[in-house]
Amino acid sequence: GENVEQHPSTLSVQEGDSAVIKCTYSDSASNYFPWYKQELGKGPQLIIDIRSNVGEKKDQRIAVTLNKTAKHFSLHITETQPEDSAVYFCAASPWGGKLIFGQGTELSVKP
Amino acid sequence: NAGVTQTPKFQVLKTGQSMTLQCAQDMNHNSMYWYRQDPGMGLRLIYYSASEGTTDKGEVPNGYNVSRLNKREFSLRLESAAPSQTSVYFCASSEASETEAFFGQGTRLTVV
Repeated sequence: GENVEQHPSTLSVQEGDSAVIKCTYSDSASNYFPWYKQELGKGPQLIIDIRSNVGEKKDQRIAVTLNKTAKHFSLHITETQPEDSAVYFCAASPWGGKLIFGQGTELSVKP
Repeated sequence: NAGVTQTPKFQVLKTGQSMTLQCAQDMNHNSMYWYRQDPGMGLRLIYYSASEGTTDKGEVPNGYNVSRLNKREFSLRLESAAPSQTSVYFCASSEASETEAFFGQGTRLTVV
């Protein structure tokens, strides 16, 4: 079955710097790759997603890149702000309806 | 519009007791999921239901059962709770596979 690996597990940056989180997946049949943000005490919320027919997608300060050949995808956050501090999860959706998550990255943005 | 509602929010069980976690969504979604979240291990899929009337095992189904009662409701049952099932449980729903999943607020379960 699908396996998603996420790195790093923790990331600390200064406000205004960029943050990059990387994920790899194992099932070449996966075509949908969402990213979720989880704030303390809450359920995860989608921040951006990408499909296999697209190599890059941007939404303001957030961008995601996908390399299907290498089976990896990354989240890029530019001009980080303290409110970006949270746990971020990548996920992959193989055939059949499953949604498999990575282990999470705890991002800390220091003012 | 409540989204995904989970009950209860907190629960303490003794080893061997049984309980059912309830989940309901009001978005007319076809797919529903149950995850558990443990420190350092991310969100692990327990069971999912791609559509009303179907259920399938996820990554960690042992010790759990599910019921897709109707399109709105998807329950998770622990028949004989074990300390290893201490976790935060999240229910989620999506319109279909490969679309945005919406999560509930979670149920914090402690088994002593």
